[in-house]
Amino acid sequence: DVKVTQSSRYLVKRTGEKVFLECVQDMDHENMFWYRQDPGLGLRLIYFSYDVKMKEKGDIPEGYSVSREKKERFSLILESASTNQTSMYLCASEGNYGYTFGSGTRLTVV
Amino acid sequence: AQRVTQPEKLLSVFKGAPVELKCNYSYSGSPELFWYVQYSRQRLQLLLRHISRESIKGFTADLNKGETSFHLKKPFAQEEDSAMYYCAQSYNTDKLIFGTGTRLQVFP
Repeated sequence: DVKVTQSSRYLVKRTGEKVFLECVQDMDHENMFWYRQDPGLGLRLIYFSYDVKMKEKGDIPEGYSVSREKKERFSLILESASTNQTSMYLCASEGNYGYTFGSGTRLTVV
Repeated sequence: AQRVTQPEKLLSVFKGAPVELKCNYSYSGSPELFWYVQYSRQRLQLLLRHISRESIKGFTADLNKGETSFHLKKPFAQEEDSAMYYCAQSYNTDKLIFGTGTRLQVFP
């Protein structure tokens, strides 16, 4: 089974803090994605990466950046957290049978 | 912009009733369509994809290009089907665009 592991299940951060959300996959997949999941809005793509050191903006990249230094790890960075970034963040890795999602990180910015 | 529309936020049925979760897409080419499901306290997982043309857990979905729809159907709902269901579309690249989701509640 492909495993996509998100390092934190719950995070509480203060406004203005720099926040790192980590995601690791163990199946040598090239494609990785970050989504945020909000009630009534579904999943919205923030950033994605097709290879090491490559990144592409998704639909809502503002206020976020990403890092992909190693193939297995894809990090989402909130440069200066704001309350409207309170959300569930989902990482996904893509293989031959579609996406595999992590269990999510619920981030609360206070 | 590509868009996936799920018009119902909530669908409530009784056990044994038929279920149809609606999904419409906007891409005019040859999209790949998927249904993902998220059960309570579990991660989002793939339920089925249109190219597989298979039935998973009794669910089926047929791609209707004329109506640009990919509705998810099950003839007899079970309580364990209660979950959040997302329709998703990919186009050109491997990016998935998701709908806003439909919560299915199956009452005993």
